[in-house]
Amino acid sequence: GAGVSQTPSNKVTEKGKYVELRCDPISGHTALYWYRQSLGQGPEFLIYFQGTGAADDSGLPNDRFFAVRPEGSVSTLKIQRTERGDSAVYLCASSLTAGGGGNTDTQYFGPGTRLTVL
Amino acid sequence: AQTVTQSQPEMSVQEAETVTLSCTYDTSENNYYLFWYKQPPSRQMILVIRQEAYKQQNATENRFSVNFQKAAKSFSLKISDSQLGDTAMYFCAFREYGNKLVFGAGTILRVKS
Repeated sequence: GAGVSQTPSNKVTEKGKYVELRCDPISGHTALYWYRQSLGQGPEFLIYFQGTGAADDSGLPNDRFFAVRPEGSVSTLKIQRTERGDSAVYLCASSLTAGGGGNTDTQYFGPGTRLTVL
Repeated sequence: AQTVTQSQPEMSVQEAETVTLSCTYDTSENNYYLFWYKQPPSRQMILVIRQEAYKQQNATENRFSVNFQKAAKSFSLKISDSQLGDTAMYFCAFREYGNKLVFGAGTILRVKS
């Protein structure tokens, strides 16, 4: 595809439910990132994948959050037992490479999924 | 931990005029990267400009340029000939050795006709 896509665009769920958020990176991009953006704030890093493996998951707030990228392309962010405080926009980004300088590690973002937990 | 501070929550500028958005950051590293991203109401984060810390020359992209002051840890964005389409939230972001971006809280820019 031309850019990073994320589905769904909006998700409304009830407290305690399980949700999955999907990210399709730019074709050929090896690195994929998840960020969370609360209202009126800048995005905060959650996790980053290099290929299929999570290279840095230091931003995941607790063990209710989990992400996978089984084939090194599409990624799914999974949130168990959702809480009202999980309400935010979840942004996905991808880059051609990870690190190494140059422009190939520039992160390109998708439009995000707005999650609302009632 | 690295921090990025944007001290201007909101800015306004008349169409065709110039505006400067401020950003400061804190790091003990010597090699790092700085970015400005634009986020319109559509939520899509769009890269505006990028600066490598080892480069002394300030980056420019058409109407957008930066004033990078490494010693002062300052990285401001100048938008020349402002256009209505420049209205958006602007985020300053920092990346050092790792790959995660650290963002500031953002500055809302309104371009008035």
